[in-house]
Amino acid sequence: SQQGEEDPQALSIQEGENATMNCSYKTSINNLQWYRQNSGRGLVHLILIRSNEREKHSGRLRVTLDTSKKSSSLLITASRAADTASYFCATVPGGAQKLVFGQGTRLTINP
Amino acid sequence: ETGVTQTPRHLVMGMTNKKSLKCEQHLGHNAMYWYKQSAKKPLELMFVYNFKEQTENNSVPSRFSPECPNSSHLFLHLHTLQPEDSALYLCASSQDGQETQYFGPGTRLLVL
Repeated sequence: SQQGEEDPQALSIQEGENATMNCSYKTSINNLQWYRQNSGRGLVHLILIRSNEREKHSGRLRVTLDTSKKSSSLLITASRAADTASYFCATVPGGAQKLVFGQGTRLTINP
Repeated sequence: ETGVTQTPRHLVMGMTNKKSLKCEQHLGHNAMYWYKQSAKKPLELMFVYNFKEQTENNSVPSRFSPECPNSSHLFLHLHTLQPEDSALYLCASSQDGQETQYFGPGTRLLVL
């Protein structure tokens, strides 16, 4: 069964604007990860946030985690055309040895 | 480059053919995975191998047969596939099942 669900399914913004994507999940987790996928390619890991962390930064990326609401958000600041891709959240359900991926958010940055 | 390679990158096969997908990781990881990605569907985990042992088979039809001869190599043997098996097949590896996964570029499979 699907664990993570991203929202929105698609997002289109102008270059330079900030993009926010959300992820909700159902069970307790060990960690939550965000990945990016360019069209037809493999996924690239962006950031991992553990269940005891609330916020994490990496360059222009900011991830938050709210375990009480079972949700996470990915913020990309000052977006660029090269950020156009699909973004997936993936959770490690407590005790599991695998990732469970959501359906992803398709992000388009318009020049 | 992520340190995970997959061959071939593209494959077209008939329903009666037998073919194999290959994945190799150069990262010293202990876990390897096969995923299927179809249009408008979530990434589907197919198989998980830890230390060469299969630890997960997600109700995958027997026409898909994985093989993991060592921790660095993973194969997916295909036979008598159906057109609905056409998809992007992704291989990944990680140090353990809970940590970051590194993906290969995928094999785009078309079954005619």
